[in-house]
Amino acid sequence: SQTIHQWPATLVQPVGSPLSLECTVEGTSNPNLYWYRQAAGRGLQLLFYSVGIGQISSEVPQNLSASRPQDRQFILSSKKLLLSDSGFYLCAWSVLAGVADTQYFGPGTRLTVL
Amino acid sequence: AQKITQTQPGMFVQEKEAVTLDCTYDTSDQSYGLFWYKQPSSGEMIFLIYQGSYDEQNATEGRYSLNFQKARKSANLVISASQLGDSAMYFCAMRRTGGTSYGKLTFGQGTILTVHP
Repeated sequence: SQTIHQWPATLVQPVGSPLSLECTVEGTSNPNLYWYRQAAGRGLQLLFYSVGIGQISSEVPQNLSASRPQDRQFILSSKKLLLSDSGFYLCAWSVLAGVADTQYFGPGTRLTVL
Repeated sequence: AQKITQTQPGMFVQEKEAVTLDCTYDTSDQSYGLFWYKQPSSGEMIFLIYQGSYDEQNATEGRYSLNFQKARKSANLVISASQLGDSAMYFCAMRRTGGTSYGKLTFGQGTILTVHP
């Protein structure tokens, strides 16, 4: 069966520091991968998605970036964090195409920028 | 632009009773998918049920069913025989077929469900 891992689970970082969040998927090949952010008490906002190694599409301009160095690895990065980057970051995967393509989420990383 | 509206910030239900969580959507697409997710306090998003815009039958998954009314653009989630473990935030989401937003799920603001013993 497929599983998705995210780490770290929680992170407290000072403003201006770098960021690296990692997501890995097991049990499937060539998944579509997604990074979402959820502000407190709000719905999810898609940040990046990837349909293959090295293929990244950005949905929202910001100081975050994403990379996919391996088929089942997705990394979210920042060179300098802002206070507004605080939130709950969720990685998701899917394998189909079209409207029935269900996305399955990881456990998330709670980021606090001070 | 696509939009999902969940008008109930919070809902309460007695254990073993049924509850309906409302979801309306706005899209000009003919083909789209509708999803419901559950988010317990741990934060993980758990997929519950899917309905395609061309599906003639309402989707069901165990105690979950989706009351799909295409003309009204509504996709309400019905949970039968509520359990204490159903207490969580519930999100309705929609996916379009492609274009520049390939793969993007548009989420509503969510409804917090509390199940009382």
